[in-house]
Amino acid sequence: QQPVQSPQAVILREGEDAVINCSSSKALYSVHWYRQKHGEAPVFLMILLKGGEQKGHEKISASFNEKKQQSSLYLTASQLSYSGTYFCGTETDYKLSFGAGTTVTVRA
Amino acid sequence: GAGVSQSPRYKVAKRGQDVALRCDPISGHVSLFWYQQALGQGPEFLTYFQNEAQLDKSGLPSDRFFAERPEGSVSTLKIQRTQQEDSAVYLCASSPGGGTGDTQYFGPGTRLTVL
Repeated sequence: QQPVQSPQAVILREGEDAVINCSSSKALYSVHWYRQKHGEAPVFLMILLKGGEQKGHEKISASFNEKKQQSSLYLTASQLSYSGTYFCGTETDYKLSFGAGTTVTVRA
Repeated sequence: GAGVSQSPRYKVAKRGQDVALRCDPISGHVSLFWYQQALGQGPEFLTYFQNEAQLDKSGLPSDRFFAERPEGSVSTLKIQRTQQEDSAVYLCASSPGGGTGDTQYFGPGTRLTVL
């Protein structure tokens, strides 16, 4: 079953922050976050394993609450390059199930 | 090193034609995945290989879809008698290990349009 992402879309000005949420009805081994720009391959951002860890990648960080089966991606001080569609992939038995994506538009 | 590559990048087929999509994974990667991505949606799992063994093909939508990885490196996804609903981007991903928690690296995809 696919995870549910929210919001569907967000528009930011450069320097603003945003949070993208991902929730699943199934027990998860890990959560993977990707960013995809139009016509390009999904680019790996980070993976969060069971244990409630928080990881960071430049000014993008994420958390994983395995009890609630939820993950959140935090975009801090957004840059123009952050524009794209963000997907969470929830892993059960090596397979990834992706949400419908959150489209982020960062404007100057 | 080189990432995952896929060919062709674009394919237009007439309904009923057979197509073959190729994936070259990152060298040495054990696992290979195929996903289908419809417009405006996230990728959906099709099938999974560990080396040359196809361990999971539960996502293949019909028996017209067939995938192989005979020598444990390059993989081909074949679609027979294409239908309009097969139009999508087909993504290939590879990962270094064979277990859970591995990062999957995606190729640029093949955009298939069936007329």
